[in-house]
Amino acid sequence: DAMVIQNPRYQVTQFGKPVTLSCSQTLNHNVMYWYQQKSSQAPKLLFHYYDKDFNNEADTPDNFQSRRPNTSFCFLDIRSPGLGDAAMYLCATSNQGADDGYTFGSGTRLTVV
Amino acid sequence: QKEVEQNSGPLSVPEGAIASLNCTYSDRGSQSFFWYRQYSGKSPELIMFIYSNGDKEDGRFTAQLNKASQYVSLLIRDSQPSDSATYLCAVNPGGFKTIFGAGTRLFVKA
Repeated sequence: DAMVIQNPRYQVTQFGKPVTLSCSQTLNHNVMYWYQQKSSQAPKLLFHYYDKDFNNEADTPDNFQSRRPNTSFCFLDIRSPGLGDAAMYLCATSNQGADDGYTFGSGTRLTVV
Repeated sequence: QKEVEQNSGPLSVPEGAIASLNCTYSDRGSQSFFWYRQYSGKSPELIMFIYSNGDKEDGRFTAQLNKASQYVSLLIRDSQPSDSATYLCAVNPGGFKTIFGAGTRLFVKA
């Protein structure tokens, strides 16, 4: 089945230690997104790629970076995680625009200790 | 600031009843509207989308859109305990970005 896969499902990292979250998709969708969702809050868009075109949200901290080496894969890098970065990180895809909604991966739950 | 507002709940309904979930949005130019279901600790799952004023039905779910009032709702008929989840309203104001509400927690009592 076509899907969006995130790894790992749970990630524990130390304060200040760089961490990378990965996302892959078999849907061949043009657009890939990274959202951050904290407990009982709305998912917040960090950035998205339309093909290789990177689009950063104005309020996304510099501590967050992303790479998309090919259509199928996208990575979220957190250069120096702080306690406030503990959250669920959601990867989503869409075909062309977002008119038909997103397909989400299972998410990565990040804990910072 | 473009916003999507939802009552956080919890909304509690008995099994078999109709659950009614509501959402308002601030960007009058928004064109696409979505409802996602999110079980605790899981990622959101798209259950409905609607573009035009009026009702759209899919099984036990009906989405309703009123652009003049900037209001979107989701009705769940014959509610089941398995419908217990958080329901996220989401709006695409144009382009690639979708803005989510914080969700309404629904609890269906058996």
